[in-house]
Amino acid sequence: DTVLTQSPALAVSPGERVTISCRASESVSTLMHWYQQKPGQQPTLLIYLASNLESGVPARFSGSGSGTDFTLTIDPVEADDTATYYCQQSWNDPFTFGSGTKLEIK
Amino acid sequence: EVQLVESGGGLVQPGRSLKLSCLASGFTFSNYGMNWIRQAPGKGLEWVASISSSSSYIYYADTVKGRFTISRDNAKNTLYLQMTSLRSEDTALYYCAREYYSGDGWFAYWGQGTLVTVSS
Repeated sequence: DTVLTQSPALAVSPGERVTISCRASESVSTLMHWYQQKPGQQPTLLIYLASNLESGVPARFSGSGSGTDFTLTIDPVEADDTATYYCQQSWNDPFTFGSGTKLEIK
Repeated sequence: EVQLVESGGGLVQPGRSLKLSCLASGFTFSNYGMNWIRQAPGKGLEWVASISSSSSYIYYADTVKGRFTISRDNAKNTLYLQMTSLRSEDTALYYCAREYYSGDGWFAYWGQGTLVTVSS
């Protein structure tokens, strides 16, 4: 299975720029997607196909990468962005998720 | 508005069975691939199973293959997950999720989830 590695946690101040990384154990082309999960809620799609912003998602969110290295950027960060962020690949079978990056806003 | 409402979760003993349902509304259900994704308490997300719009293509995670069966009834706008031989490690919140388009493998809409607890 394709393993997606994310840093476990980050803490930033409002107004700062934050990058959340996701590294795949093998190439996933650009079939990488990002989700936000706030405490007690279901995940929501932020970015699909590495860099496409889902409708209704603020332009503060952006995604980049291809192959094995991907990044989700939030600029500027707001207090409401407190959440866990997951990457997910759909290039290789089975679909897999990263373990999540918990973002704390100081 | 797209809505996915899961039901059927509960407390079940190891080795027993349970069937989850997901009632869809707000879109043409028969046009979209559907998935089950689960999240153990305090843990990350795990894809469980997917089914194409016409049920022609079905896939499972190795952890549930042979024990779980995904199915759908397009006339009833409902997705199912039949779970048998349940184990403690199947304890999780089970989400129903719709693909962005059919067969594309990313999840545009999620339900609120239904909790399955496997314990004696």
